[in-house]
Amino acid sequence: GAVVSQHPSWVICKSGTSVKIECRSLDFQATTMFWYRQFPKQSLMLMATSNEGSKATYEQGVEKDKFLINHASLTLSTLTVTSAHPEDSSFYICSARVVGATYEQYFGPGTRLTVT
Amino acid sequence: AQSVTQLGSHVSVSEGALVLLRCNYSSSVPPYLFWYVQYPNQGLQLLLKYTSAATLVKGINGFEAEFKKSETSFHLTKPSAHMSDAAEYFCAVSGPHMEYGNKLVFGAGTILRVKS
Repeated sequence: GAVVSQHPSWVICKSGTSVKIECRSLDFQATTMFWYRQFPKQSLMLMATSNEGSKATYEQGVEKDKFLINHASLTLSTLTVTSAHPEDSSFYICSARVVGATYEQYFGPGTRLTVT
Repeated sequence: AQSVTQLGSHVSVSEGALVLLRCNYSSSVPPYLFWYVQYPNQGLQLLLKYTSAATLVKGINGFEAEFKKSETSFHLTKPSAHMSDAAEYFCAVSGPHMEYGNKLVFGAGTILRVKS
């Protein structure tokens, strides 16, 4: 149980284009999903908290106009990297909290984004 | 504010030896504590969690951790290392308090290397 999927698992795009990453909870409903970014050999950096049906809450320093987050249903959240640049290249990981669970998060497999 | 310190960014053990990964937390309110494991280019998998019940917590793959309030520690152990345990391990803290803001706070991670 508590499986989270991400799509795509990796993507290469050209500078200036936009990329959408999907995060789905496959066997549970998630009112809250989280988006993280992980640089090589570093820990996870929380980018934003996504609540179903409401606007995402972004962490300090994260550009909300660049990283668009939509949580349209209890099983789907999307992250769109707009006008991507090489410095946006990173490993993006989403997670979801099971409703009523004791604060643990279940993580997707991650998406490797490379901007050329 | 809450924080997590993982002592030792790299730990190396021989196959069959004891694994000990250290985690100390700083929090003014009772925390929930978690250990996650990450294999290369993958998301995080929950190993175990402490949520104010039994202080000795057993997880998957033979791992366990003990919550010691007096030492503000939650060290992860496994009696006998296996080659497949080589990965990066993250300690994290959260909880049902405003202090945590509904988020997981991660340590910097410890890379475990298992020598044959």
